[in-house]
Amino acid sequence: DAGVIQSPRHEVTEMGQEVTLRCKPISGHDYLFWYRQTMMRGLELLIYFNNNVPIDDSGMPEDRFSAKMPNASFSTLKIQPSEPRDSAVYFCASTQGLDYNEQFFGPGTRLTVL
Amino acid sequence: DAKTTQPNSMESNEEEPVHLPCNHSTISGTDYIHWYRQLPSQGPEYVIHGLTSNVNNRMASLAIAEDRKSSTLILHRATLRDAAVYYCILRHWVNTGNQFYFGTGTSLTVIP
Repeated sequence: DAGVIQSPRHEVTEMGQEVTLRCKPISGHDYLFWYRQTMMRGLELLIYFNNNVPIDDSGMPEDRFSAKMPNASFSTLKIQPSEPRDSAVYFCASTQGLDYNEQFFGPGTRLTVL
Repeated sequence: DAKTTQPNSMESNEEEPVHLPCNHSTISGTDYIHWYRQLPSQGPEYVIHGLTSNVNNRMASLAIAEDRKSSTLILHRATLRDAAVYYCILRHWVNTGNQFYFGTGTSLTVIP
């Protein structure tokens, strides 16, 4: 298996622009997570899905952030409009089963908002 | 939130054992203790987890205090490839599923 795939790996955009980050989980995994990592706050859980349904989005910072999972093999995290404080590394992770122990992380997308 | 406290950074000499501490005084009876590590420019990866008893695997050992308010990740012989940020996490059950709370972790430097 290729592991969790994220695209793009790097994104540089200007304030006010829409940004879409993409994730393909490991085949067969039924949980998908989006995290954000910054120096100040470390790794924060934004939202997670089970069987394509959002379960907990309490970590989403504000209405500018939205996430979707239209099918079991694809998810997006969208920021509209983007702001400089959104600059961070965004990770997607997936796992299988309700009683999971191990999450498998993708390589991350480094977002820079100018 | 189920939170943990770790030192910001630690150093170790190569080929010596490393003990990475973690405090989790608010742990509940059903919270599992997990450790992940993050190598430079990569996503976190699973290391080990446990509930009450000490655990061993090919990567490390996990020693859990009797009252479960603290734990220690043990790398038996540090190598340069072990230089990473190590996260101690509580896996907390809520009715919507397991939740993981990563903090800022401990940055481990291995000195050749």
